[in-house]
Amino acid sequence: EADIYQTPRYLVIGTGKKITLECSQTMGHDKMYWYQQDPGMELHLIHYSYGVNSTEKGDLSSESTVSRIRTEHFPLTLESARPSHTSQYLCASSVLDGKLFFGSGTQLSVL
Amino acid sequence: GENVEQHPSTLSVQEGDSAVIKCTYSDSASNYFPWYKQELGKRPQLIIDIRSNVGEKKDQRIAVTLNKTAKHFSLHITETQPEDSAVYFCAASSRTSNNNDMRFGAGTRLTVKP
Repeated sequence: EADIYQTPRYLVIGTGKKITLECSQTMGHDKMYWYQQDPGMELHLIHYSYGVNSTEKGDLSSESTVSRIRTEHFPLTLESARPSHTSQYLCASSVLDGKLFFGSGTQLSVL
Repeated sequence: GENVEQHPSTLSVQEGDSAVIKCTYSDSASNYFPWYKQELGKRPQLIIDIRSNVGEKKDQRIAVTLNKTAKHFSLHITETQPEDSAVYFCAASSRTSNNNDMRFGAGTRLTVKP
C-alpha cells in the first residue's frame, strides 16, 4: 500500500548524541518535507526537498541536516541532540499540486 | 513570503451546531488552500482543499469558501459530531512557485460537546 513511513515511532536519547530519523515514501512523490510540531500546536518547516540531490532549509533552524540520495528516502540527522530538540517530527511528501501526505511522526525526547 | 493567520485558536460547540474557522493570507499569488485535520496523537490529514478559480467547495458536512479580494478563506462544519473534535490547520501556497511557500496557520482546537 502506498504510504509514507517514519521510524522510529518513539526515541529517548541523551544530550549530545547524534541521531537520524528515517522517512520513506512509496507514493512516487518528488517533494518531501520535515516539520517539527509540539502536540496539537503549529507546524514548523525544518527542511524540504524537490527531488534527488535537492535540499533546502525551512523557517526553523534546528541544527539538523537532511539528504535526498533516493527519491523515496529523506532522512533527518541531528548532529548533537539537546533538550530543546524534544518534540514531534513529521515527514511529509507531495506531488506538485501541493497536497501533503504526512507520516505518523517520530516523538523525540532528549534527556 | 506567505503569512497565514488563523482564528480562533480554540472553539467549543455543542453537538449539532455549526463551526466556522477563518484564515487570512498575505500573498496574492497564493492559489491553493488546503485544510488539514489532526486528531489527538495522529498525523494531519487533508479533509478539503480549494483552488483560487472557485469560490466555494462542499463535501458532505464540510465546506470551504474563498474570498480572493479580501484574501481570506473559511472552513465550515455543519451538524457537528463529537468525532469532529480535533485540531484543524489551514494552509496557503502558490502551485506555480518553485519555492516551498506552503505555509500553515497556527491551528484551531475544536471541541464538540455531546
